Amino acid sequence: GAVVSQHPSRVICKSGTSVKIECRSLDFQATTMFWYRQFPKQSLMLMATSNEGSKATYEQGVEKDKFLINHASLTLSTLTVTSAHPEDSSFYICSARKGPNEQFFGPGTRLTVL
Amino acid sequence: GNSVTQMEGPVTLSEEAFLTINCTYTATGYPSLFWYVQYPGEGLQLLLKATKADDKGSNKGFEATYRKETTSFHLEKGSVQVSDSAVYFCALSGGGATNKLIFGTGTLLAVQP
Repeated sequence: GAVVSQHPSRVICKSGTSVKIECRSLDFQATTMFWYRQFPKQSLMLMATSNEGSKATYEQGVEKDKFLINHASLTLSTLTVTSAHPEDSSFYICSARKGPNEQFFGPGTRLTVL
Repeated sequence: GNSVTQMEGPVTLSEEAFLTINCTYTATGYPSLFWYVQYPGEGLQLLLKATKADDKGSNKGFEATYRKETTSFHLEKGSVQVSDSAVYFCALSGGGATNKLIFGTGTLLAVQP
């Protein structure tokens, strides 16, 4: 199988603080991971592509200084939401690429910024 | 650019009814096509996929056929169950170095007993 985990599953933080979300591929190595954001009743919007050992590639309109991505190993990518504000509240989902045509998704992290 | 269009929901059906969720795409080249399912409060799970024209993906009673001539990948199931209630996303991958997935807007399916 191919299992991707995310931690934490839910986080509530105060405005102005930073939050780190971890994405792990548990039983395979992933040189490429993806971070998505999902708004209520909407589709997934790709935020960035995380590449092991190199800088992430951000989609147009995504602030790289606000959403810091680190892919330090073949099984772990982290997304840090810096100086979070209520408008950053969302469901964040990661995926890990296994093979040329497959992505396996994590269960998601619900971020609520008060 | 590449894009995916799927029918808006919600789709409400009675148990054992026939399901169709339409999906059409725009892409250059020969993309791979996917259906993902998202149960409440969870992440996405791959339901089925097709990587070339005329391929039929199938899983758990769901089917979809890659139709290049109509640029479609409609999802069907002959007899839905309450447990099929979820949001269904059609997606394509255009290939290339990163293989980014492009998703449709999702269709909420509610199956009533």
